[in-house]
Amino acid sequence: AQSVTQLDSHVSVSEGTPVLLRCNYSSSYSPSLFWYVQHPNKGLQLLLKYTSAATLVKGINGFEAEFKKSETSFHLTKPSAHMSDAAEYFCVVTQDNYGQNFVFGPGTRLSVLP
Amino acid sequence: SQTIHQWPATLVQPVGSPLSLECTVEGTSNPNLYWYRQAAGRGLQLLFYSVGIGQISSEVPQNLSASRPQDRQFILSSKKLLLSDSGFYLCAWSVLQGPYEQYFGPGTRLTVT
Repeated sequence: AQSVTQLDSHVSVSEGTPVLLRCNYSSSYSPSLFWYVQHPNKGLQLLLKYTSAATLVKGINGFEAEFKKSETSFHLTKPSAHMSDAAEYFCVVTQDNYGQNFVFGPGTRLSVLP
Repeated sequence: SQTIHQWPATLVQPVGSPLSLECTVEGTSNPNLYWYRQAAGRGLQLLFYSVGIGQISSEVPQNLSASRPQDRQFILSSKKLLLSDSGFYLCAWSVLQGPYEQYFGPGTRLTVT
């Protein structure tokens, strides 16, 4: 069975400082992992994905994530937060090609302070 | 490029009234389609998915139903809404040929009063 843990329900950073959003997963097989962002009352937008290629994945808007199999982690980072980064972030795991088996984490709300 | 549309954007309906939410995808063929619900302060719950016209799978028992009358059209319905049906409804699509990430529509905010 698959599962996703997002260790922080809420993260608050100052504008211009680094962002770290943590995600740990459980999967019986080699997983694929995704990060999505959701701004208030909007749909989810794909930030980046890991599908067994390079372990350091670069996404849109300056975000990146590193797949660490030994730690079963896929943390999302950004060197410098911008006010527009304030949103909800979801980590997703799947171990097959079937979309109905996507497992979403509970989400982390990122606040960016001026 | 592919786009996904949902309407209406917001909806306020009384308890016991019917519901119809529509989702359409442009720029792709034979997509997999999904309906999710996001209750306030909670994560995403998969309600239905479809791998083809007329093929609907339900993930949770409820008073909602889904239909796929055309390849790129997905409809979420209810005959009688409950208060607990309130939430943010998201439609998504994906393809099985990699990459197979899901792409989400803008969502419909449903308030049942």
